Amino acid sequence: RKEVEQDPGPFNVPEGATVAFNCTYSNSASQSFFWYRQDCRKEPKLLMSVYSSGNEDGRFTAQLNRASQYISLLIRDSKLSDSATYLCVVNGVGLGGSYIPTFGRGTSLIVHP
Amino acid sequence: NAGVTQTPKFRVLKTGQSMTLLCAQDMNHEYMYWYRQDPGMGLRLIHYSVGEGTTAKGEVPDGYNVSRLKKQNFLLGLESAAPSQTSVYFCASNRKSGGAFFGDEQFFGPGTRLTVL
Repeated sequence: RKEVEQDPGPFNVPEGATVAFNCTYSNSASQSFFWYRQDCRKEPKLLMSVYSSGNEDGRFTAQLNRASQYISLLIRDSKLSDSATYLCVVNGVGLGGSYIPTFGRGTSLIVHP
Repeated sequence: NAGVTQTPKFRVLKTGQSMTLLCAQDMNHEYMYWYRQDPGMGLRLIHYSVGEGTTAKGEVPDGYNVSRLKKQNFLLGLESAAPSQTSVYFCASNRKSGGAFFGDEQFFGPGTRLTVL
């Protein structure tokens, strides 16, 4: 079983729709969690961190469920510009106590007019 | 600040050739990483470094070597390129975080697109 799993999609939604992605992780000792956004042929960029209490940034809401070992991303009022691949990232412990990220394969979102 | 830069942006190699990819960051970050990204595979960690002079293997280290002689630079070497190493290579860096929230945002370079014929 891959350490971090995501539904690759694509999720094809109309503008204005609400869409949610889930990501499951296998290492219960994982320390921190993130969502990154990657546009086609570009480098990933941080979308938001995922806190235990959940967090919201405008139209984006992230949740963490440690008991079930998953994180989620909710996008409300989708825009055409939200079309991208969304990468789930889970940090485990590496060399010298460093925090080593494991990336999911990404979920593709296509927002159409 | 330039952030994270990668050299070269594109490269075509023949099987058996060698090359070095250079990653440089000007943010004084402790941690640096090399990833490869293949279609449908997501980003996979090749090697990483937690400080000048230290390196460690990631998920897919075979066929690659790395060096971190200076804090701002992280080099990825392919001694004898193979077609299986055709990929997009991303370098990333982040600062060392010791606070209650572990880990920190990674900053990525623009990527190097490598084709091995």
